[in-house]
Amino acid sequence: DTGVSQNPRHKITKRGQNVTFRCDPISEHNRLYWYRQTLGQGPEFLTYFQNEAQLEKSRLLSDRFSAERPKGSFSTLEIQRTEQGDSAMYLCASSIRRLGASEQFFGPGTRLTVL
Amino acid sequence: GQQVMQIPQYQHVQEGEDFTTYCNSSTTLSNIQWYKQRPGGHPVFLIQLVKSGEVKKQKRLTFQFGEAKKNSSLHITATQTTDVGTYFCAGGTALNFGKGTSLSVTP
Repeated sequence: DTGVSQNPRHKITKRGQNVTFRCDPISEHNRLYWYRQTLGQGPEFLTYFQNEAQLEKSRLLSDRFSAERPKGSFSTLEIQRTEQGDSAMYLCASSIRRLGASEQFFGPGTRLTVL
Repeated sequence: GQQVMQIPQYQHVQEGEDFTTYCNSSTTLSNIQWYKQRPGGHPVFLIQLVKSGEVKKQKRLTFQFGEAKKNSSLHITATQTTDVGTYFCAGGTALNFGKGTSLSVTP
């Protein structure tokens, strides 16, 4: 499978715990994005990387959220001290940088439930 | 900041009827992309529009980008049950998605 993969697919945790999600993009894609989606809403941008550099981070993103892409390949998204409001589907997408924007390929997502 | 609004939020049609969803941005967009998300699935890229007034067609789907590059539309001719899903427009490099239009089709 040459698509974007995400692990785990589901995560249930208790409030206050830390969680970490992983995203493996399409191998030749140099851009990687994280989004959050709740029921009935469109994906909400969280952050994106070009290679290993984090180029943009949503101003709405709490400092409990941190993302890394250490070698410009896979990425991790960590949420510290989870809250019930963090329950959502976390989507990862990747693309190749071109002049202007280019299509993003989404992974299947990690569904987080905070009890 | 940039906001992308979509209408309608929901649309139910009989199979064979046409469907249109509209997307409006509070600011001028350098480009706009359209995605489709099936129930339980993830967004899948449909098309990107870049030029003012651009019109692109994919079989029964017609996409338009407004002259002012602040609005866009997706029109589906003669809907089929396979068209069911939520259609999102999104603008910018770090995509700002609208809330989407959820389409249901009755056979």
